Amino acid sequence: GQQLNQSPQSMFIQEGEDVSMNCTSSSIFNTWLWYKQDPGEGPVLLIALYKAGELTSNGRLTAQFGITRKDSFLNISASIPSDVGIYFCAGLGGSQGNLIFGKGTKLSVKP
Amino acid sequence: SAVISQKPSRDICQRGTSLTIQCQVDSQVTMMFWYRQQPGQSLTLIATANQGSEATYESGFVIDKFPISRPNLTFSTLTVSNMSPEDSSIYLCSVGARAGAGNEQFFGPGTRLTVL
Repeated sequence: GQQLNQSPQSMFIQEGEDVSMNCTSSSIFNTWLWYKQDPGEGPVLLIALYKAGELTSNGRLTAQFGITRKDSFLNISASIPSDVGIYFCAGLGGSQGNLIFGKGTKLSVKP
Repeated sequence: SAVISQKPSRDICQRGTSLTIQCQVDSQVTMMFWYRQQPGQSLTLIATANQGSEATYESGFVIDKFPISRPNLTFSTLTVSNMSPEDSSIYLCSVGARAGAGNEQFFGPGTRLTVL
């Protein structure tokens, strides 16, 4: 079945640094979604991407839909302590809107 | 985006019992889904809850173990039947945007289940 490879698995950074994470797949996706999950909460949608090559920003977050439709990246600029959490990519390519999730990137930010 | 609530938020259950989780949305939605997130893991789709018909289950999940109801466009339930410790997970419902809108899915806060 379709699988997403998300990297890195975890990151430890200093407050103020920029962060980059990505997802790749051998399959083509029609939509890429990026979520953040805080402990004890459900995932919250950060950015949705619909077109190959699309670059979309949401505040300090920027995400791109890869031109091959097989990858996507998420950048966070000038990280702050509240950016701590687990970030998941998710691709949509199956029937009935089934999302395939990456394994997540756990972000830790040192003040 | 829709406001999604789940009940209960958490529960501790005994082996062999069943638990029904409710998902309520504040507006009518076309698509509703149920996911499982095992400890420290990513999300795995259990099934798509279809209004007025049987749910569509993903490989590895069966109706006898995870019966699902969706009586209308704002409500769904997931039952975890004959529980074992391996069922300890977070169970999440999600909703899809209205037909014709984007393909985003929005998640409820989750139900944290511990089976002893």
